[in-house]
Amino acid sequence: RKEVEQDPGPFNVPEGATVAFNCTYSNSASQSFFWYRQDCRKEPKLLMSVYSSGNEDGRFTAQLNRASQYISLLIRDSKLSDSATYLCVVNLDRGSTLGRLYFGRGTQLTVWP
Amino acid sequence: GAVVSQHPSWVICKSGTSVKIECRSLDFQATTMFWYRQFPKQSLMLMATSNEGSKATYEQGVEKDKFLINHASLTLSTLTVTSAHPEDSSFYICSANGQGGWLIATEAFFGQGTRLTVV
Repeated sequence: RKEVEQDPGPFNVPEGATVAFNCTYSNSASQSFFWYRQDCRKEPKLLMSVYSSGNEDGRFTAQLNRASQYISLLIRDSKLSDSATYLCVVNLDRGSTLGRLYFGRGTQLTVWP
Repeated sequence: GAVVSQHPSWVICKSGTSVKIECRSLDFQATTMFWYRQFPKQSLMLMATSNEGSKATYEQGVEKDKFLINHASLTLSTLTVTSAHPEDSSFYICSANGQGGWLIATEAFFGQGTRLTVV
């Protein structure tokens, strides 16, 4: 069983659309959670951390439900530049220092004009 | 943000040869680095945790004698793919956590990745 499961998509949406991605993780001991974006053949870049209280960064909103072991990302008013693969990422290690990361396979988003 | 440099960005090698990939933290000390591998249309898979001055810790199913990791300094970790075969062709990428000072280790900083093709 994979540590992190994501719907691979692809999601094809017009500019201005709202799109939501979901993710589930299997290890209840997981410590921290993130969304990364990865452009084709590039390294992943941190989009945002995910907290139980939910957090928002501009057009992006992330939610975490520890009871259901479920993470979500909402993108509002999609831009062409949002086209990328979005990776759900879970950190299993304890402590204040980030440890081993487990990645979902990513959800591909294409925003069209 | 902190900078992690990985080299080479791509390499083609013959089957049976060894390839070394370097991962450097340029503006911070990295006591711990991680090595991942990504096959096409697959997720990044953690291969091993590299600790400065000690042996690497490998994830289950990763052959430590095939993927040699050395973390001899606080700014450099190397991954050597020994006796490479075509099935080792993949995108290898490292990440580093910081230590001390202004750097809060709540974000992983990734190298640019190395695309290995074994022919």
